[in-house]
Amino acid sequence: GAGVSQSPSNKVTEKGKDVELRCDPISGHTALYWYRQSLGQGLEFLIYFQGNSAPDKSGLPSDRFSAERTGGSVSTLTIQRTQQEDSAVYLCASSLMGTGGLYEQYFGPGTRLTVT
Amino acid sequence: GDSVTQMEGPVTLSEEACLTINCTYTATGYPSLFWYVQYPGEGLQLLLKATKADDKGSNKGFEATYRKETTSFHLEKGSVQVSDSAVYFCALSDKRSNQFYFGTGTSLTVIP
Repeated sequence: GAGVSQSPSNKVTEKGKDVELRCDPISGHTALYWYRQSLGQGLEFLIYFQGNSAPDKSGLPSDRFSAERTGGSVSTLTIQRTQQEDSAVYLCASSLMGTGGLYEQYFGPGTRLTVT
Repeated sequence: GDSVTQMEGPVTLSEEACLTINCTYTATGYPSLFWYVQYPGEGLQLLLKATKADDKGSNKGFEATYRKETTSFHLEKGSVQVSDSAVYFCALSDKRSNQFYFGTGTSLTVIP
């Protein structure tokens, strides 16, 4: 079956522009996560959606970052007024919502964002 | 709060050497534990997992045992290959919140 897909795979944008990154999770996965991975760094949690519950936005670094998930499936991460420090690989992952944390995350290939 | 601490790299080994990457965790409950691997130019993929104390996860010759008494989940392999060169991430999931916590990753390079 299809895995997690993300688009675009690469995005180059000018400082100050807005960008939208898209994630299509695995069908039937009710949990969706966004992470940021800077060069040589670990994963930085950004936001988490689970079913119809209010998202956990505790990892968003500033109010320039927002995300939504429509119909419990596709998610869009939006970065407004991009800054050079936003340059990173943005990873999306999805997971079954089971009996609490028993199911692994499946990651997409990521979107490499470069802000010039 | 929950967290994962793993051995800092980079680690460089000769082919057929033994590998251990240390991982310890802090959790208020009883988390599930995972090792993910990221090969060069690829996304993260699950390597192995353990969902309760004393469970051993294994895959591709790698093993890790969930040790509740030492809050550890060390990754081991008896004989590494060049194809094992990658970045390895230890992670835990909180069973109450479904939230995941990742270590900073350990880069492994295996030389022929």
